[in-house]
Amino acid sequence: AQTIHQWPVAEIKAVGSPLSLGCTIKGKSSPNLYWYWQATGGTLQQLFYSITVGQVESVVQLNLSASRPKDDQFILSTEKLLLSHSGFYLCAWSLHNYEQYFGPGTRLTVL
Amino acid sequence: GDSVTQTKGPVTLSEGTSLTVNCSYETKQYPTLFWYVQYPGEGPQLLFKVPKANEKGSNRGFEATYDKGTTSFHLQKASVQESDSAVYYCVLGPGGSNAKLTFGKGTKLSVKS
Repeated sequence: AQTIHQWPVAEIKAVGSPLSLGCTIKGKSSPNLYWYWQATGGTLQQLFYSITVGQVESVVQLNLSASRPKDDQFILSTEKLLLSHSGFYLCAWSLHNYEQYFGPGTRLTVL
Repeated sequence: GDSVTQTKGPVTLSEGTSLTVNCSYETKQYPTLFWYVQYPGEGPQLLFKVPKANEKGSNRGFEATYDKGTTSFHLQKASVQESDSAVYYCVLGPGGSNAKLTFGKGTKLSVKS
């Protein structure tokens, strides 16, 4: 069975500090991977997607970047956090561009 | 572009009563429609999907019919339970080369015993 793991579970960071969030999918070969952002009480917004290792496409510019260093790993990062980066970050996977399955999320608070 | 409009929450119901969450969508593509459910502090879970127009999806007592004529996909449940308390999202997709999912704003349901 496939599992999706996100780390860390939660982060509290200062404005201007760097950030790295991770996501690992086990049990699926060559999935499509996605990063979403959800403001507190808000809906989900897709940030990035990746179809293959080393290839990432940006959907929304939020001063964030993403990388896919391995088939089963997706990283979200920035060198300088903004207050507006606070929220819930969700990683998701799919096969063949069909339904997407979400991870447990990382709660980010920027102070 | 694609858009989804759903019942504005929050919605509060008593256990055993019926639920309807309205959802309408706009797209120029041939989408699959989904309902996702999100519990506090968790990622959204797929409730069910309906890939074809005029077909019904169902799971855990929830159901919705993909009505292409009225571009609607209303979520219904005959008798809600306290455990159904969550946020429900009507979702349109996947669309475009990025398989983008377009989420509605979500409807928060609270069920009181």
